[in-house]
Amino acid sequence: GAGVSQSPSNKVTEKGKDVELRCDPISGHTALYWYRQSLGQGLEFLIYFQGNSAPDKSGLPSDRFSAERTGGSVSTLTIQRTQQEDSAVYLCASSLGYSGSSYNEQFFGPGTRLTVL
Amino acid sequence: EDQVTQSPEALRLQEGESSSLNCSYTVSGLRGLFWYRQDPGKGPEFLFTLYSAGEEKEKERLKATLTKKESFLHITAPKPEDSATYLCAVQAEGNNRLAFGKGNQVVVIP
Repeated sequence: GAGVSQSPSNKVTEKGKDVELRCDPISGHTALYWYRQSLGQGLEFLIYFQGNSAPDKSGLPSDRFSAERTGGSVSTLTIQRTQQEDSAVYLCASSLGYSGSSYNEQFFGPGTRLTVL
Repeated sequence: EDQVTQSPEALRLQEGESSSLNCSYTVSGLRGLFWYRQDPGKGPEFLFTLYSAGEEKEKERLKATLTKKESFLHITAPKPEDSATYLCAVQAEGNNRLAFGKGNQVVVIP
């Protein structure tokens, strides 16, 4: 079946501009995650959505970052007033969500490479 | 804070030369340890989940093991197509995020 999709695959923007990154999770997955991967760094957690619960925003690096998830499916990550240090690959993942004693693995999309000039 | 350290950072292997990758972790109650494979320009691809010390899982030439402090990913008789970056991540009890290490970059030379 279809995996996690993300768009655009590449985004080049100028410092100070706003950008929106989109994620389409695997159908039926209730949990959705955003991570950031900077050059030479490990993946860094940004935000987590689970069903209709309030999102876990504890990984967002500043108030310039926000995300929403509409209808429990598609998610958009917005970065306002972009800075050069925001340049990274932004990865989205989805999972069936934690239930009982089993944990459902996170499946990743191909990522959006953001370059801020 | 959950911490994951992977070693070695980079590894060059001759085809057929078996080796192991190490993932040391510190977590306040382990819910699960995950191994992913990442090819250049692509998102991580799920390989294994390990839940408790002593557990082992295998897939083709890869075998993952877990102790209370570390995990190993053994690569047996690797082929060039096993060249990739291997990522280790942990999830803590009561948490949903994954904490990742920086990865083991493996190159298998024909």
